[in-house]
Amino acid sequence: KNQVEQSPQSLIILEGKNCTLQCNYTVSPFSNLRWYKQDTGRGPVSLTIMTFSENTKSNGRYTATLDADTKQSSLHITASQLSDSASYICVVIDRGSTLGRLYFGRGTQLTVWP
Amino acid sequence: EADIYQTPRYLVIGTGKKITLECSQTMGHDKMYWYQQDPGMELHLIHYSYGVNSTEKGDLSSESTVSRIRTEHFPLTLESARPSHTSQYLCASAGGGIEKLFFGSGTQLSVL
Repeated sequence: KNQVEQSPQSLIILEGKNCTLQCNYTVSPFSNLRWYKQDTGRGPVSLTIMTFSENTKSNGRYTATLDADTKQSSLHITASQLSDSASYICVVIDRGSTLGRLYFGRGTQLTVWP
Repeated sequence: EADIYQTPRYLVIGTGKKITLECSQTMGHDKMYWYQQDPGMELHLIHYSYGVNSTEKGDLSSESTVSRIRTEHFPLTLESARPSHTSQYLCASAGGGIEKLFFGSGTQLSVL
């Protein structure tokens, strides 16, 4: 069973609008959580990384939040652009071993229309 | 921009052929990984290496093999490709802790 669940599975918004993507996880013990952007046919590129003690982190128009108590994270995209069309993947890393195992969500496919 | 490269970007081959997917990084990372990704699905770890002459199988059973003779190079080989091997293969490397994970652009493999 996937321990990282993302919603919605897909999302279509108009250019200039804001949107929020959700990530719920059950990974324990938790080390950190990362959001990646993956363009079609490309490898994922890191957007943010959040540790247990961080609640909010921004990277330009991207703002990630983390609630370690409820095991939820969100990625908010402000003033969307056509280039934001991509899959956004939530990755959770545990600290249960020296290997630092990664758990991947299936991603949210975002499409921005002009 | 991450300095990790995969070749080829696209590969279409017939069943039974032997193929090698190349992955190289110039960041001096000890840790390297191979993931398999199908459309709309999560990445699955198939192989990883924590240094030269160190390779391990990942969570997803795979008929592929890997080698790590040099720090910068982590090729993946399929001895006899089958249609079930059709997928996207992503190589990644990490340094200074697994959190700093960099991905290559991927190889889209199609086996006919």
